[in-house]
Amino acid sequence: DTEVTQTPKHLVMGMTNKKSLKCEQHMGHRAMYWYKQKAKKPPELMFVYSYEKLSINESVPSRFSPECPNSSLLNLHLHALQPEDSALYLCASSQTSYSNQPQHFGDGTRLSIL
Amino acid sequence: GESVGLHLPTLSVQEGDNSIINCAYSNSASDYFIWYKQESGKGPQFIIDIRSNMDKRQGQRVTVLLNKTVKHLSLQIAATQPGDSAVYFCAESQGGSEKLVFGKGTKLTVNP
Repeated sequence: DTEVTQTPKHLVMGMTNKKSLKCEQHMGHRAMYWYKQKAKKPPELMFVYSYEKLSINESVPSRFSPECPNSSLLNLHLHALQPEDSALYLCASSQTSYSNQPQHFGDGTRLSIL
Repeated sequence: GESVGLHLPTLSVQEGDNSIINCAYSNSASDYFIWYKQESGKGPQFIIDIRSNMDKRQGQRVTVLLNKTVKHLSLQIAATQPGDSAVYFCAESQGGSEKLVFGKGTKLTVNP
């Protein structure tokens, strides 16, 4: 079992739907991350939150909207997604967002866009 | 392009053998390296990390070697077991950066 919990594990949605992915950690970490992973590819960074502030947005389309309500929670709001957005969405956390810190991953949400 | 890559996309070994997974990186400013194991249907699992002021670090059945001269990183798994079958990613970060850059991954298959 991982210490980073992601819900739901699977999500199927239409292109006009609005849904949210959730991530939670109780390790006291102050940095949280969203990654996108396509099949047989490495994870690609989307967003970084440091001390509940957005510090990095890797030019992600606005149909993905991150939110960090508190130091333990991270959400990813989805709206008007495209079929190419189908992927595994991974959340990670680390003690801080500075170098020399291992990131710990959840098991992801498998997202399918119809 | 990616600053971290892998020499081989797949590796097949016999149970009980030692496995060596290689990784090349191109950024000489990288000072922190991590190996992750990703099993099917799961997220990447932290295995071991190493900082650039070290050449070698050992864990339980795993050893990471760092050669900064040729910008090469390797993961050695001793007495490989079927449960070691997974995709292994190396990742690196540059001093002061919040970003972790992943290599392409190597799929390790352990044959009984």
